[in-house]
Amino acid sequence: AQRVTQPEKLLSVFKGAPVELKCNYSYSGSPELFWYVQYSRQRLQLLLRHISRESIKGFTADLNKGETSFHLKKPFAQEEDSAMYYCALSAYNQGGKLIFGQGTELSVKP
Amino acid sequence: KAGVTQTPRYLIKTRGQQVTLSCSPISGHRSVSWYQQTPGQGLQFLFEYFSETQRNKGNFPGRFSGRQFSNSRSEMNVSTLELGDSALYLCASSLTQGFDGYTFGSGTRLTVV
Repeated sequence: AQRVTQPEKLLSVFKGAPVELKCNYSYSGSPELFWYVQYSRQRLQLLLRHISRESIKGFTADLNKGETSFHLKKPFAQEEDSAMYYCALSAYNQGGKLIFGQGTELSVKP
Repeated sequence: KAGVTQTPRYLIKTRGQQVTLSCSPISGHRSVSWYQQTPGQGLQFLFEYFSETQRNKGNFPGRFSGRQFSNSRSEMNVSTLELGDSALYLCASSLTQGFDGYTFGSGTRLTVV
């Protein structure tokens, strides 16, 4: 079965500290993986996708097929990074269906 | 350009009634997906439409249905509402069936009493 697991419900760090939001997935094929973010009172929005290998707002994520992980990282957290982060998987033959993790709330303290 | 628009924003219905939610995707986007978001279950996929055809369906009872029109606008319908259907219903649209990511609407908050 396809599944996405985000083990931490809440992650609290101080400004300037490194951040790593964990995401593990279960899927036998080649998945498309995404990170979505929801800032307070805003819509859910795409942060980055693994296939583009880009860095958005200082965040990067590397797909590790051996460990079936897609952790989100940022070397120096900012207060404006505080938000809810969702990892999502799209199966290769089910492009329109996203399977979301339960989300991790990131709180960056001053 | 305008984003994904969902109407209404809030809705209160009585158990047993039915409800229709509407979604207007970004102009040019032909793929529309629907999700249910609850505190307990998180974000769960309902269904996806592409060019008026349902391409994927989530694990929800038949009371949940949807459709897409020729202008890509989509509606979802829930019949015989139950208390457990209270949730935020999100619509999302994509140019390429999601492979480049989805753009989400603000959602419709449905409360069943």
